[in-house]
Amino acid sequence: EVQLVESGGGLVQPGRSMKLSCAASGFTFNNYDMAWVCQAPKKGLEWVATISYDGSSTYYRDSVKGRFTISRDNAKSTLYLQMDSLRSEDTATYYCARHNDYGDFDYWGQGVMVTVSS
Amino acid sequence: DIQMTQSPSSMSVSLGDTVTITCRASQDVGIYVNWFQQKPGKSPRRMIYRATNLADGVPSRFSGSRSGSDYSLTISSLESEDVADYHCLQYDEYPYTFGAGTKLELK
Repeated sequence: EVQLVESGGGLVQPGRSMKLSCAASGFTFNNYDMAWVCQAPKKGLEWVATISYDGSSTYYRDSVKGRFTISRDNAKSTLYLQMDSLRSEDTATYYCARHNDYGDFDYWGQGVMVTVSS
Repeated sequence: DIQMTQSPSSMSVSLGDTVTITCRASQDVGIYVNWFQQKPGKSPRRMIYRATNLADGVPSRFSGSRSGSDYSLTISSLESEDVADYHCLQYDEYPYTFGAGTKLELK
């Protein structure tokens, strides 16, 4: 059974950093591109970033470029999102998601809440 | 960026209704549109992939269609478990973009 379990969220002050993790199991992690998707309270879904199966390629939405870094440790089957210079508008639930062969998201984690507030 | 204009934003529905939700893409995205269902406090669940394909375990009352740049999700004979938020997604190119979502509410 595919499982994606996020951790690392919480309350953080504006301008500070936070690192999210997503532990994957039930599939061969290093065969799949992975992504982070966020959802602000009472709002729609937004794609944040994607990393290729081997970590060689990364893609970001414009609003997080230069502030967020997606990475992975295939030996640990874990995906990360390093979030620096956090802003109040980054407040959201962050989901880890698996890309399938066609590029869409077939499995999602349960999500982790990040609140950026002083 | 490709805009996915989703309508309606909310819909008041009755059990047994046929419900149709639409997303219009601002440029050609081919077949690369998914539909997700999301219930309160839960993560999204893939319902339709590549515009018209039913995801594993999804009831056959759900269907997806495409007409040009318009993509639709139809729920036939709505059941109580179908009351949720629905989101479309284009994954033809980065940045991937979602529609703003449609909230189904019971009358």
